Amino acid sequence: AQTVTQSQPEMSVQEAETVTLSCTYDTSENNYYLFWYKQPPSRQMILVIRQEAYKQQNATENRFSVNFQKAAKSFSLKISDSQLGDTAMYFCAFMKPWYSGGGADGLTFGKGTHLIIQP
Amino acid sequence: EPEVTQTPSHQVTQMGQEVILRCVPISNHLYFYWYRQILGQKVEFLVSFYNNEISEKSEIFDDQFSVERPDGSNFTLKIRSTKLEDSAMYFCASSGVAYLAKNIQYFGAGTRLSVL
Repeated sequence: AQTVTQSQPEMSVQEAETVTLSCTYDTSENNYYLFWYKQPPSRQMILVIRQEAYKQQNATENRFSVNFQKAAKSFSLKISDSQLGDTAMYFCAFMKPWYSGGGADGLTFGKGTHLIIQP
Repeated sequence: EPEVTQTPSHQVTQMGQEVILRCVPISNHLYFYWYRQILGQKVEFLVSFYNNEISEKSEIFDDQFSVERPDGSNFTLKIRSTKLEDSAMYFCASSGVAYLAKNIQYFGAGTRLSVL
């Protein structure tokens, strides 16, 4: 079974600063997918960024980027030029590849990091 | 932009009652999921559904839970006899059929279930 660990329950930074959220995972799979989801106070889960384990290049989406270290099983999220609207819970999630699950695979989530952007 | 729609946003029920939570997935998606988030805890996978049958389920998804796709658009989660510990936020998600698209799950806004 896979596990996902987010060791920072809460973080607080000033607006416009850069912040990094950490995530580690454990799996015996060689190929898999990693995700960061954002959950604002509205509670809707919103996909922030996705990384495929067989790709060495780190994924980026505008101000969001990841540092994927496969050997260390680490998947951190960096938010540059943070904005007030980035205030939310951030969840790291793992998914086995579709071909190893044989069907539709559920995501395994970490406990989340509550990120607060201060004005 | 297409989105997953869940109704109701908040459901209050008495312990022992049956509840049905409803979801309308994104129209061209074929994989459907339910997740649960107890207040203050992490999101937990319950079940996935494909081709009109359960594809995978977690240990949480016991006999009191069932899922159904009663028509071409709705996807429901039924809890037969609710318990206090079923109080949680329930999220529906869907993903597409293409190889890459299948690996992105889009979530609804959730239904908050309160069991009294």
